[in-house]
Amino acid sequence: KAGVTQTPRYLIKTRGQQVTLSCSPISGHRSVSWYQQTPGQGLQFLFEYFSETQRNKGNFPGRFSGRQFSNSRSEMNVSTLELGDSALYLCASSFGQGMETQYFGPGTRLLVL
Amino acid sequence: QKEVEQDPGPLSVPEGAIVSLNCTYSNSAFQYFMWYRQYSRKGPELLMYTYSSGNKEDGRFTAQVDKSSKYISLFIRDSQPSDSATYLCAMSAPSGSRLTFGEGTQLTVNP
Repeated sequence: KAGVTQTPRYLIKTRGQQVTLSCSPISGHRSVSWYQQTPGQGLQFLFEYFSETQRNKGNFPGRFSGRQFSNSRSEMNVSTLELGDSALYLCASSFGQGMETQYFGPGTRLLVL
Repeated sequence: QKEVEQDPGPLSVPEGAIVSLNCTYSNSAFQYFMWYRQYSRKGPELLMYTYSSGNKEDGRFTAQVDKSSKYISLFIRDSQPSDSATYLCAMSAPSGSRLTFGEGTQLTVNP
């Protein structure tokens, strides 16, 4: 069974631009969560989607948004990029029926200049 | 104060050593406890998953949870150079699947 895939793997943007990251969960998984990983803050929860609905949200500004499609694929968008948004963005998928194992993708490394 | 505290290391041990990694937490609602391993430039990989207190063993890895002390541990026996990675503890309350992570401990196992 294929794992979680994320595209693109690397991205360079400049301040003020916006970016869209994509995540395809493991087949059959309906929940997708997004996390931001930085050296200073570690892994921080952004949001979770289940059946196209945002089910949970972390403590990030409104510039960070996401959505989920009917095939469970998910995208996250960051608008008006800031230097501090440089990070590894990780997507994790699970069946979504409760507290289950989350499987992570390889991440998208975003560099904001 | 962070909800989950983990010593970032770095931790360096010789091959064959027993490694002990630990996390403490403050949120008594946490019921699910996980250990992930992350190699450089890769996503976290789930190693161990435990519910509530107790021990769980899987090969060379043993996870322990002591809810009364709000303390979890991961033991690696007969450590190998391939175990060199960052180890992240993570936990969650029953109310949702949102994971709260420790900072991660960087481990190097020297041949």
